[in-house]
Amino acid sequence: GQQVMQIPQYQHVQEGEDFTTYCNSSTTLSNIQWYKQRPGGHPVFLIQLVKSGEVKKQKRLTFQFGEAKKNSSLHITATQTTDVGTYFCCSSNTGKLIFGQGTTLQVKP
Amino acid sequence: SQTIHQWPATLVQPVGSPLSLECTVEGTSNPNLYWYRQAAGRGLQLLFYSVGIGQISSEVPQNLSASRPQDRQFILSSKKLLLSDSGFYLCAWGWNEQFFGPGTRLTVL
Repeated sequence: GQQVMQIPQYQHVQEGEDFTTYCNSSTTLSNIQWYKQRPGGHPVFLIQLVKSGEVKKQKRLTFQFGEAKKNSSLHITATQTTDVGTYFCCSSNTGKLIFGQGTTLQVKP
Repeated sequence: SQTIHQWPATLVQPVGSPLSLECTVEGTSNPNLYWYRQAAGRGLQLLFYSVGIGQISSEVPQNLSASRPQDRQFILSSKKLLLSDSGFYLCAWGWNEQFFGPGTRLTVL
């Protein structure tokens, strides 16, 4: 079945450094979504991308969907301690979400 | 606005005991409902989803079952818990974009 692979699994950065997490699939995705889960919390929807090559920004967060719609990335510029958490990519398939394993971001102040 | 409730927030149960976790949604009708499990430090695994009352689809064979007795109520059950059933159980509603409840942390001892 469809799988979504996400790397890296963990990332430790100094506050102010940039951070990127990558999401890859062996099959073409109809869409890609990103969720953030704070420690001890539940996943919260961030954004959805549906078009080939699409780029969306939310303040310091930049989301990209690859031209072939098989990969995606989330880039955070100048991380802050509030960015700490696990970032999941996922793709929906007839209403079912297929999640990547997540990237856990730690930010050292 | 829509809200989703889950209870209990935490639960410690002995091996072999039964389980009943409840999820209710307010502010929407005929929602698609989902149960996910998240093992410690891992991604989300879809367990069950429901598109309507009495309609349950199981994604993985396991020791758990789900029921939807009312439009906005989704219940996760087990007759006899196993150690491997420990985890963070999340209920969600939606379609492509999903909204998660606060979750139940289950520890089976």
